[in-house]
Amino acid sequence: DAGITQSPRHKVTETGTPVTLRCHQTENHRYMYWYRQDPGHGLRLIHYSYGVKDTDKGEVSDGYSVSRSKTEDFLLTLESATSSQTSVYFCAISESGTGGQEKLFFGSGTQLSVL
Amino acid sequence: AQSVAQPEDQVNVAEGNPLTVKCTYSVSGNPYLFWYVQYPNRGLQFLLKYITGDNLVKGSYGFEAEFNKSQTSFHLKKPSALVSDSALYFCAVRDINAGNMLTFGGGTRLMVKP
Repeated sequence: DAGITQSPRHKVTETGTPVTLRCHQTENHRYMYWYRQDPGHGLRLIHYSYGVKDTDKGEVSDGYSVSRSKTEDFLLTLESATSSQTSVYFCAISESGTGGQEKLFFGSGTQLSVL
Repeated sequence: AQSVAQPEDQVNVAEGNPLTVKCTYSVSGNPYLFWYVQYPNRGLQFLLKYITGDNLVKGSYGFEAEFNKSQTSFHLKKPSALVSDSALYFCAVRDINAGNMLTFGGGTRLMVKP
């Protein structure tokens, strides 16, 4: 999947615990994104990054934070996980952002279950 | 807000028959439209995009999409379906009200039966 590695691939956690998901890319693309996928909702953007230390909120950012200290890594943190955050999380990258009509490349996803 | 709608949760088609997966859009200004496909346990893969130009856009794996401005539609088509085309298909639009991020439809599951 286009040099994108998500870890872990699966995680089960309890309500109220912090969780960090990692996305690592080897493509040196500037833009990185976190989406969540839920039945009937398609994919919804959580946060995105347009460079090291440059991030912005997406459609469903409440309860999530992100960090990008290196070009290749984009971390998604759930400070205090809730059952509503049970979902499949996808990381995506693009070379110049979708404003330039660039296509997105997606990782294989992380299945997160919050009990 | 910019949005896309996929009116069918699932489309069933026999192998060898033509297939259509429907998408309608609601945007202000010129639409930038995309189709992505998701195979089981994989991330989404880009199929094709419409920015401007010809209304018929050709993409990967023999897929094409027809842009129809009067009907605000961007349906995905293939002349002859394969069993291996069975997957989840997503339509998306560039949302100028959301920093040019992509807004995805809810997805349509395509089942191609032998």
